[in-house]
Amino acid sequence: NAGVTQTPKFQVLKTGQSMTLQCAQDMNHEYMSWYRQDPGMGLRLIHYSVGAGITDQGEVPNGYNVSRSTTEDFPLRLLSAAPSQTSVYFCASSRGTGGSKSYEQYFGPGTRLTVT
Amino acid sequence: AQKITQTQPGMFVQEKEAVTLDCTYDTSDPSYGLFWYKQPSSGEMIFLIYQGSYDQQNATEGRYSLNFQKARKSANLVISASQLGDSAMYFCAILEYGNKLVFGAGTILRVKS
Repeated sequence: NAGVTQTPKFQVLKTGQSMTLQCAQDMNHEYMSWYRQDPGMGLRLIHYSVGAGITDQGEVPNGYNVSRSTTEDFPLRLLSAAPSQTSVYFCASSRGTGGSKSYEQYFGPGTRLTVT
Repeated sequence: AQKITQTQPGMFVQEKEAVTLDCTYDTSDPSYGLFWYKQPSSGEMIFLIYQGSYDQQNATEGRYSLNFQKARKSANLVISASQLGDSAMYFCAILEYGNKLVFGAGTILRVKS
């Protein structure tokens, strides 16, 4: 299993550009989430999904869109990049409710985004 | 409202000694879970330990143990026999509906030789 993969690892954007951060998992997990981590801070939830076709907003959703058309993929779209979106982005997945260790979160390696 | 509070921005510990990292939480849910993650300078998030709110015993994973005091809403991480490789940022987090995590601000731990 590859686990949770994220592409790209690094990205530099100019203000106003758009892009999509990719996240994929091969563990058949129902739950997937996107977090951002700003310098010296903990992770904050952007959007999450409890299954294909179901998404919802987290703590800091403004400026980001998500969709979940398959169980495996959960892309994060930046519509019009702003310097305030300079951050490290983590995708995570978990099995969901019920069963042993269903709570366990698997994190991707992160994408470091800089907006100039 | 702050859900996870980590009051120690930075900690030092001597190699081979034990260290406690503090975490208090705030929730009205009767069922919840508490996590500790380690983030080394390389940036990945490494799962250390989990405690469910209904678990009767404190969780342990190797050198890591969780001092869970439900009435005080605290979930402190104890690392025994510290090693140089334990130097990292440590995050406490609480699990909410949708398997979403709410993180604290973190504690930087430095292990001295």
